[in-house]
Amino acid sequence: EAGVAQSPRYKIIEKRQSVAFWCNPISGHATLYWYQQILGQGPKLLIQFQNNGVVDDSQLPKDRFSAERLKGVDSTLKIQPAKLEDSAVYLCASSLWRTETQYFGPGTRLLVL
Amino acid sequence: QKEVEQDPGPLSVPEGAIVSLNCTYSNSAFQYFMWYRQYSRKGPELLMYTYSSGNKEDGRFTAQVDKSSKYISLFIRDSQPSDSATYLCAMSNTDKLIFGTGTRLQVFP
Repeated sequence: EAGVAQSPRYKIIEKRQSVAFWCNPISGHATLYWYQQILGQGPKLLIQFQNNGVVDDSQLPKDRFSAERLKGVDSTLKIQPAKLEDSAVYLCASSLWRTETQYFGPGTRLLVL
Repeated sequence: QKEVEQDPGPLSVPEGAIVSLNCTYSNSAFQYFMWYRQYSRKGPELLMYTYSSGNKEDGRFTAQVDKSSKYISLFIRDSQPSDSATYLCAMSNTDKLIFGTGTRLQVFP
């Protein structure tokens, strides 16, 4: 079974630029999560999708972050404009259903200069 | 006070040692308790999953939950250099996971 795929793996941008991350969850998984993991901290949930609907985006900085999950499969997370404090690893995870085990992708490392 | 507290380490032990990793939490509503292992430049992977209080054993790993003390532990027996990683505790009362900061473990030969 293929795992959660993410791209790109690394991204370096300057502040005020925009960036987008892509996630392909495990086939058949209805729930998809985006986490932000700042160096030395645990992952923090940004947004959770159930199929293509948003379940929880309470910790998403909506003035600069946006996310979508088209057709209930792939998802993109966008930051526009980026700030220095957005430097982090962005992890995508998926689960069969909301209360099932979450499987994580390798993450995208973002460095904002 | 953070909802989940975890000593960041690093913890350095010799091969074969018994390792004890711990987390405390403040939200008494948490029912699901997990330990994830995260290798450098990789995503977290689930190691152990426990519902409510009690012990769970899987090979060299034992997870303990003490809800009365709001304290969870992960024990690793006969530690190996391949166990060197960051160990994250996570817990929830629904489907939203709250993670600790992670403890970095180094097992040297």
